[in-house]
Amino acid sequence: DTGVSQDPRHKITKRGQNVTFRCDPISEHNRLYWYRQTLGQGPEFLTYFQNEAQLEKSRLLSDRFSAERPKGSFSTLEIQRTEQGDSAMYLCASSLSHSWGQGFAEAFFGQGTRLTVV
Amino acid sequence: AQKVTQAQTEISVVEKEDVTLDCVYETRDTTYYLFWYKQPPSGELVFLIRRNSFDEQNEISGRYSWNFQKSTSSFNFTITASQVVDSAVYFCASLNNFNKFYFGSGTKLNVKP
Repeated sequence: DTGVSQDPRHKITKRGQNVTFRCDPISEHNRLYWYRQTLGQGPEFLTYFQNEAQLEKSRLLSDRFSAERPKGSFSTLEIQRTEQGDSAMYLCASSLSHSWGQGFAEAFFGQGTRLTVV
Repeated sequence: AQKVTQAQTEISVVEKEDVTLDCVYETRDTTYYLFWYKQPPSGELVFLIRRNSFDEQNEISGRYSWNFQKSTSSFNFTITASQVVDSAVYFCASLNNFNKFYFGSGTKLNVKP
């Protein structure tokens, strides 16, 4: 396993179009995160999954955004009716989370999908 | 609420100088984790270190060292004898309540030859 993989690496789309990104986490990792990063800023949380369950969504995630993680493996992030403000780097990360008291491992990030909405 | 502050937006040093990147965190929880990540120009966030709130021991890894002080809610990162390859954006992050990571806004380090 070579790490977290994201596809595509770059996406240019016209405003109003739908886009879908894919993330393949490290195989044994049960937790998967989506973050968004704009220029000069730190990553901002969008949502995360514990196995196939989506446990939390940020208020940043409008109704146009939806994420899935069927079967607790890969995940997709879809943006409908894209807007120019959606232009950003979308980062996926995975980690191995343990039960209470056993600690949390670090998250490993993919190389991201850079979205440009024109 | 969780918050991570990296007050230094950008730092420039000359190769071989030592440099310290500051990180201040806010949390109400007694159990939490702190992290440092490096983001080179290629864009991928690279994990550097994890610390939990019960372990205040400082750590050294080669030219890198980390100073965790709960009394001042700081988790600072020092690069000794900096090199051009250290040029990147460095992010401090926290994790608590076993959910999401909170990142600071990052410190861009420029190491000039």
